[in-house]
Amino acid sequence: AQKVTQAQTEISVVEKEDVTLDCVYETRDTTYYLFWYKQPPSGELVFLIRRNSFDEQNEISGRYSWNFQKSTSSFNFTITASQVVDSAVYFCALSEAPGGSYIPTFGRGTSLIVHP
Amino acid sequence: NAGVTQTPKFQVLKTGQSMTLQCAQDMNHNSMYWYRQDPGMGLRLIYYSASEGTTDKGEVPNGYNVSRLNKREFSLRLESAAPSQTSVYFCASSGHVIWGGEVTQYFGPGTRLLVL
Repeated sequence: AQKVTQAQTEISVVEKEDVTLDCVYETRDTTYYLFWYKQPPSGELVFLIRRNSFDEQNEISGRYSWNFQKSTSSFNFTITASQVVDSAVYFCALSEAPGGSYIPTFGRGTSLIVHP
Repeated sequence: NAGVTQTPKFQVLKTGQSMTLQCAQDMNHNSMYWYRQDPGMGLRLIYYSASEGTTDKGEVPNGYNVSRLNKREFSLRLESAAPSQTSVYFCASSGHVIWGGEVTQYFGPGTRLLVL
């Protein structure tokens, strides 16, 4: 069975600090997808990134970067020079595809608080 | 292109009342999902519909029923609401991997439900 663990329940940083959100997953499939979503205080769920199991290349998008390591089953998310607007709950998710449909499993989320 | 829409945004029910949450997507996605979000619990899958005409139970289906009305619409019904169903409900949609669909889930804005 698939499982996603976000061990950090809450992280508090001061603006301009770098912060890394951890995500560890478990799966028996060789083909799977990993995702990060952001949920700001307004409540909507915003898609940030998707990675498939065959692509271990790290990705950078502005101040955001993602480190995917199959050897440690981790898909960590780093925010460089954090800003108050980064304050949100961040969810990591894993999606296997038995039978062709996606049944994603979400971690419990990490609440990031960025203080001015 | 509205993405995923949900109605209503807020609802207050008394114990025992029934209601239907509506969800529609205009992205031509095959799969649709209903989640509930409770504090500290992340997102838990209630029901999903891999394709039009099929529905399956998720992690927490008790007390709910669903209808995949057509490819665009997927409704969630509470037949006899209970205080334990107080939550935020999210609808999501995605493609179908075998048919080469978009693998990412896109979420609606959510429905806040309070059962007294």
